[in-house]
Amino acid sequence: SQKIEQNSEALNIQEGKTATLTCNYTNYSPAYLQWYRQDPGRGPVFLLLIRENEKEKRKERLKVTFDTTLKQSLFHITASQPADSATYLCALDPYSGAGSYQLTFGKGTKLSVIP
Amino acid sequence: GAGVSQSPRYKVAKRGQDVALRCDPISGHVSLFWYQQALGQGPEFLTYFQNEAQLDKSGLPSDRFFAERPEGSVSTLKIQRTQQEDSAVYLCASSPGSSYGYTFGSGTRLTVV
Repeated sequence: SQKIEQNSEALNIQEGKTATLTCNYTNYSPAYLQWYRQDPGRGPVFLLLIRENEKEKRKERLKVTFDTTLKQSLFHITASQPADSATYLCALDPYSGAGSYQLTFGKGTKLSVIP
Repeated sequence: GAGVSQSPRYKVAKRGQDVALRCDPISGHVSLFWYQQALGQGPEFLTYFQNEAQLDKSGLPSDRFFAERPEGSVSTLKIQRTQQEDSAVYLCASSPGSSYGYTFGSGTRLTVV
């Protein structure tokens, strides 16, 4: 069956360190993959999109990699700050070819950056 | 408006009651999605509209769930004869089209008692 797994439910890191979150998927052939941030009581906020033919994408302190052979995406936050504390969601945009572009989400990883 | 607006923010319904949840997407966004999010889980797809056409409703959990977007802008998700298992946050998102990130609203938290 199709599955998206985010490596851990919770991750605690020290301020200033690099946080690395993992997203693994099985039985998908995604056209692209997206990462979102979600704060309590709020909807997810789009961060980055990476296409299947891209190896890496950067935006300020964020970096995403996409390895379609390993079926894995890594999400890095460098020089982490307490304000980065949130739940981060990985989402696949599978190519269905049927006109629907629904995203399928992982359960998320709750990141806590400790001052 | 600047973002996706959902109302009401919170809804408490008695079991068996019908509810209607509203979504006002970003003006001009062609794609509109409804998701359901249980506590501690990622959002689960319910249905997708491209303009006024409902192209995918495969995620709707039962025939008690119905969504519409008659003029290609505002959308309503209706749940008939609510059950306790319908308690969740219902998220609406819009997008200019494929290969763009989604803009989500803050959601409607539905509690069925």
